[in-house]
Amino acid sequence: DAGVIQSPRHEVTEMGQEVTLRCKPISGHDYLFWYRQTMMRGLELLIYFNNNVPIDDSGMPEDRFSAKMPNASFSTLKIQPSEPRDSAVYFCASSQVLDVYGYTFGSGTRLTVV
Amino acid sequence: AQSVTQPDIHITVSEGASLELRCNYSYGATPYLFWYVQSPGQGLQLLLKYFSGDTLVQGIKGFEAEFKRSQSSFNLRKPSVHWSDAAEYFCAVAWYNTDKLIFGTGTRLQVFP
Repeated sequence: DAGVIQSPRHEVTEMGQEVTLRCKPISGHDYLFWYRQTMMRGLELLIYFNNNVPIDDSGMPEDRFSAKMPNASFSTLKIQPSEPRDSAVYFCASSQVLDVYGYTFGSGTRLTVV
Repeated sequence: AQSVTQPDIHITVSEGASLELRCNYSYGATPYLFWYVQSPGQGLQLLLKYFSGDTLVQGIKGFEAEFKRSQSSFNLRKPSVHWSDAAEYFCAVAWYNTDKLIFGTGTRLQVFP
């Protein structure tokens, strides 16, 4: 199994541009989580899905952030428009219902907004 | 509010020395408890977890953790640290009937030869 795959690994964009982060969870996993990691705030849960349905998006910072999971093998996190304060490492993690807390994390996307 | 606290931001130890990283959680109900490790540029990897039963839990890479209900703590220990243990360590908590983990702010471990 290739694990949780995130792309791109690094993204540098200008303020105001749209940014799309991608995640492919482990096949057979029912849960998908998006986290953001910064020095100031640590790891914050942004949103998570169960069977492709968003369950809790209370961590999404504002309307500029949106996430979708059109099928069991793909999810996106979009920021539009991006701002410098969005610079962070964004992690995707997945788990299965029989081991819901057994997260497997991807390697993350380091986003820099200039 | 549910929260998890790691009071030590940065710890430095010599190789071969023992290690203890602290973790405390709030809220009255017994939570599910986890320790993760993050190497530079990598995602997080699960070291160990506690759901119930024996309060001393063994994990990978020679780590163990002990759940102490009276202190609301779940401290991570290793008897002899190796240089490759240098990383950031995160304590995480989940409460019954929730699907999500809440992470502490992490402790960065530095190991000197």
